[in-house]
Amino acid sequence: EVQLVESGGGLVKPGGSLRLSCAASGFTFSSYSMNWVRQAPGKGLEWVSSISSSSSYIYYADSVKGRFTISRDNAKNSLYLQMNSLRAEDTAVYYCARPQEPGAAAAPNWFDPWGQGTLVTVSS
Amino acid sequence: EIVMTQSPATLSVSPGERATLSCRASQSVSSNLAWYQQKPGQAPRLLIYGASTRATGIPARFSGSGSGTEFTLTISSLQSEDFAVYYCQQYNNWPSFGQGTKVEIK
Repeated sequence: EVQLVESGGGLVKPGGSLRLSCAASGFTFSSYSMNWVRQAPGKGLEWVSSISSSSSYIYYADSVKGRFTISRDNAKNSLYLQMNSLRAEDTAVYYCARPQEPGAAAAPNWFDPWGQGTLVTVSS
Repeated sequence: EIVMTQSPATLSVSPGERATLSCRASQSVSSNLAWYQQKPGQAPRLLIYGASTRATGIPARFSGSGSGTEFTLTISSLQSEDFAVYYCQQYNNWPSFGQGTKVEIK
């Protein structure tokens, strides 16, 4: 069974840092680009970042560029999101999401499956 | 950035009735359009990609149509499990989502 399990969320003060993890199983992780998508409480979905299968290509939404860093460890089947200089508007559930089809490039794609999400709350 | 606009924001439908949800893109996205269903406390679930291709395991009562800037998701006969929020997403450029349409019981 294909599974994505996020962890690392929690409460952090404005200006603080947090590192999210996504553990993948049930598929060849190194064959897929990967993504982070977030959803503020009661709001819609926002794409955050994409990373190609070999980490050669990385892309960010303007809203997080310069503050967030996406990375992956194919040996550990894991995806990460390092979040620095956090703001109240970063409060959201963060989902790890995989494209439906394998591919090396971090090209725009649709997402299937998604993890269950991890909640990040930025508040003093 | 491509802005996706969904309408209506809320759709009240009786079980067994047809539901028609709309999604408009601020510029052409060709057929690079997906639809998701999200229930409270759950992750989004892929329904449709390529504007009209049903994902694996999605019932035939869900259908998608459109291309360019205008898209439609139709649920032919609403079942109790279909009451949820539906999002469209374009992937012609870096992904962007609509704000969602909530389908509620009338």
